Amino acid sequence: DSGVTQTPKHLITATGQRVTLRCSPRSGDLSVYWYQQSLDQGLQFLIQYYNGEERAKGNILERFSAQQFPDLHSELNLSSLELGDSALYFCASSAPIGGGSYEQYFGPGTRLTVT
Amino acid sequence: GEDVEQSLFLSVREGDSSVINCTYTDSSSTYLYWYKQEPGAGLQLLTYIFSNMDMKQDQRLTVLLNKKDKHLSLRIADTQTGDSAIYFCAESTYNTDKLIFGTGTRLQVFP
Repeated sequence: DSGVTQTPKHLITATGQRVTLRCSPRSGDLSVYWYQQSLDQGLQFLIQYYNGEERAKGNILERFSAQQFPDLHSELNLSSLELGDSALYFCASSAPIGGGSYEQYFGPGTRLTVT
Repeated sequence: GEDVEQSLFLSVREGDSSVINCTYTDSSSTYLYWYKQEPGAGLQLLTYIFSNMDMKQDQRLTVLLNKKDKHLSLRIADTQTGDSAIYFCAESTYNTDKLIFGTGTRLQVFP
C-alpha cells in the first residue's frame, strides 16, 4: 500500500458525459501527479500540482482539467468523454530523493470505461 | 526530445536471471527508475539510479547504466513466478518532477 488513495476504482460512463476522479496523496506530500495508461498511448504524464498550484503540464487534453484543494487532495475532471478516453488513470504523490528529483508513489488507479 | 523504449516481452524459466533493457534519448536525465506493475494493480517503485552512477544493487535486483549509450538494464537474479509482471523504466530530469515512462516489458516466468 503506497498510501495514495484514489476513488472510484472503476467507472463506466457514456460518450459525451463528464466524470471526476479523486486522489488523496500520502500524508505530508505536497505534489500530486496524474498519469493516463492506455493500450495505444502507454503511460503518459498529464499534469502536476504542488501545494495547490499547477506546476507542470504534459499531454493533457483541453477537455480535461485538474485542481488541488487546500487539504491537498486532487481531482481530475474529464468532460465530453470519447471512447478513446477509456484508460487507467493513476495519481501519484512524491517525496524528495535528492539532486532535485523525487520518488513517486502511485495510487491503485481508476479504470474508466467509456461506452 | 524525450523517448524511452523497451522490448515488449521477455520469457524466462524460474530460477534463471532476467535482464530487461531500456534506452532513453534525453541526455539531461538525472534519475532513472524501474517500476513494476502486476495485473490489475498500480505501479510499484522497485529501484532507481542517479545518472552519475554505473551500477546499483538491491538484493536480487541489479541496475546497470551506460550513460554514453543511454542504456539502462534491470537484472533480476533467481527469477520467481511472483516476478511475472510488466516492468517500466522511467526517467526524470533535474527539477522536472514528471516521469517519462517506457513502453513496458511484460516478463513471464515459467516453471
